[in-house]
Amino acid sequence: AIQMTQSPSSPSASVGDRVTITCRASQDIGSNLDWYQQTPGKAPKLLIYAASILQSGVPSRFSGSGSGTDFTLTISSLQPEDFATYYCLQDYNYPRTFGQGTKVEIK
Amino acid sequence: EVQLVESGGGLVQPGGSLRLSCAASGFTFSSYDMNWVRQAPGQGLEWISYISSSGVTVYDADSVKGRFTISRDNAKNSLFLQMSSLRADDTAVYYCARSWFGFDYWGQGTLVTVSS
Repeated sequence: AIQMTQSPSSPSASVGDRVTITCRASQDIGSNLDWYQQTPGKAPKLLIYAASILQSGVPSRFSGSGSGTDFTLTISSLQPEDFATYYCLQDYNYPRTFGQGTKVEIK
Repeated sequence: EVQLVESGGGLVQPGGSLRLSCAASGFTFSSYDMNWVRQAPGQGLEWISYISSSGVTVYDADSVKGRFTISRDNAKNSLFLQMSSLRADDTAVYYCARSWFGFDYWGQGTLVTVSS
C-alpha cells in the first residue's frame, strides 16, 4: 500500500498567517491527490482534488500544488474557521490511503 | 441537495456483527461509486471499502478483508456495510462517502463501539 506522510503534524499559527502543509507519497501517484478539512465532530470536507483543483465553494485562499510524490496545501491567509485538521488522500490506487493528519492550532 | 445518512451503529460485543446503512438522496445514486471511511476515537481517517456504481467491483482494506462486506441496492438508493467478527479496534465513527472527483460528499457518520 502507498504510504502518505504529512508534515508538520501540528503547526501553530495566527489569523492572517500563511500556512503550508506538505504530503509525501511513498511512490509516484501523479496528480492523484486530494485534500480534506475536518473540524471536531464533523465529517471531512473536500477542499482540493487532482492535487490542485479547488472544489466548488471552497475559498480561494486554499490552494494545492505538486505531482509525483510531493504535494503542498497552502492557506494564504488563515481565518478563524480554518483551525482544523487537514488530511491528504491518494486516489491513485487501492487501498486508498490517507495521511496521518495535520492539526492547525491557534498560536 | 445531496444527502448521505448513515445508520445502524451502536454497541456490540467482540466477535459480534453489525450492519451499517447509508441512505442516499439528491443525486442519481446508481451513477456513483461509493466508499466507507472510518475514524477511531481521537485518530485519523482510514479508508476501508469501495464499491463501483454497478456493485460489480469492490475493494477492501487489509484491516477488514474477510470480515466486512460492502454492498449496495441501487433500487433503494442505499449502501451497506456488513461487519462481522468485530474487534475492539473496529471501534470508530463510520462514514459513507461518494466518489466523484475526490470524496465529494460525506455522511454525518455513525458510531460503532465494540466492547464487552
